[in-house]
Amino acid sequence: ETGVTQTPRHLVMGMTNKKSLKCEQHLGHNAMYWYKQSAKKPLELMFVYNFKEQTENNSVPSRFSPECPNSSHLFLHLHTLQPEDSALYLCASKEAGNTGELFFGEGSRLTVL
Amino acid sequence: AQKVTQAQTEISVVEKEDVTLDCVYETRDTTYYLFWYKQPPSGELVFLIRRNSFDEQNEISGRYSWNFQKSTSSFNFTITASQVVDSAVYFCALSFYGQNFVFGPGTRLSVLP
Repeated sequence: ETGVTQTPRHLVMGMTNKKSLKCEQHLGHNAMYWYKQSAKKPLELMFVYNFKEQTENNSVPSRFSPECPNSSHLFLHLHTLQPEDSALYLCASKEAGNTGELFFGEGSRLTVL
Repeated sequence: AQKVTQAQTEISVVEKEDVTLDCVYETRDTTYYLFWYKQPPSGELVFLIRRNSFDEQNEISGRYSWNFQKSTSSFNFTITASQVVDSAVYFCALSFYGQNFVFGPGTRLSVLP
């Protein structure tokens, strides 16, 4: 199993659809992150969870709804998205509270039509 | 405020040339951590190096080397004898308190055969 796995790798959805992105980490970490990477823009932090508790919400619109049922799994529920939400969504994990690096998944490429 | 600048948006070199990617950061914290990540076309950000603010020793790992200078708030990355497989987007990042990460906009490196 690779360290951080994201599914699906590619997703196309209409603006009225509801879908979810899934992230699973096999590294024993207890902090998980969602980042958004749009073309020509820096990585944008969306959400942070430490020990299943959300500790950071970077002013993300409510059409993005995160869920962290346990330290190994992180979801991003999507509904009524806009075309400008099309991006690569990256999940990352690390040991909470220490100063180590983030471990990233390969991302979910989302296209909103 | 914390900020990371990578002034070079895109760089193209011919294989076997040396190339340096610049990173300049801003922070008021005295304790912080600097990182470099590589993002190949597959999408995953791959960790390359971590350096804390108290360790200004330069580091070499194979063809990669890093030059950290607190006096100029820079953490530059040099690839010696570049190869086509080095083609990717490279991100410099700054971390503080072990949780929050600020990423630069990235530099796209193309190594031509």
